[in-house]
Amino acid sequence: DIQMTQSPSTLSASVGDRVTITCRASQSISSWLAWYQQKPGKAPKLLISKASSLESGVPSRFSGSESGTEFTLTISRLQPDDFASYYCLQYNSYPITFGGGTKVAIK
Amino acid sequence: EVQLVESGGGLVQPGGSLRLSCAASGFMFSSSWMSWFRQAPGKGLEWVANIKQDGSDKYYVDSVEGRFTISRDNAKNSLYLQMSSLRPEDTAVYFCSTYRPSGPADYWGQGTRVTVSS
Repeated sequence: DIQMTQSPSTLSASVGDRVTITCRASQSISSWLAWYQQKPGKAPKLLISKASSLESGVPSRFSGSESGTEFTLTISRLQPDDFASYYCLQYNSYPITFGGGTKVAIK
Repeated sequence: EVQLVESGGGLVQPGGSLRLSCAASGFMFSSSWMSWFRQAPGKGLEWVANIKQDGSDKYYVDSVEGRFTISRDNAKNSLYLQMSSLRPEDTAVYFCSTYRPSGPADYWGQGTRVTVSS
């Protein structure tokens, strides 16, 4: 099984900050990585697929990048609506696996 | 507009069974892979199962293999998850989702809660 190691597990930031979340895959997943945002009591929302492809309607302050087996979600200027949990997901092979999640909290 | 509405959750004793349903609308259900995911209280997301458009291919996470069965009825635009031999660790909110042919899951329902407890 492919393990996804996501860091940090929590981070505190202020509105306007640049935020970076990282996921490292235990083996090659090509670019088959997605990022989701989840707010309490709600379903996850797909932000980015194929490592860096922004979904329709997602603000351009969100971006994804990759370097080998390391993947990064960047929020360029954090907005009040961005305080939430974020998860990476690899869909290169079964079983599909998630990172452990990152909670972005208000500093 | 894509809509996915889960139902069938509830309280069940360990060893019991439950059948979850997901009613789909707003898209061509018969042309879409579908998925079940879950989230235990206060925990992260976990993929549970996938099913191909015609039901011919199914995939499961190891922890539910042999106990859970994913199925679909394209005539009723419905997805199902039959869960048996339930364990306390199956306690979670269960979400259904559409799944792109090459992934990932894109549209999600709001979830149905399953509690396994005596």
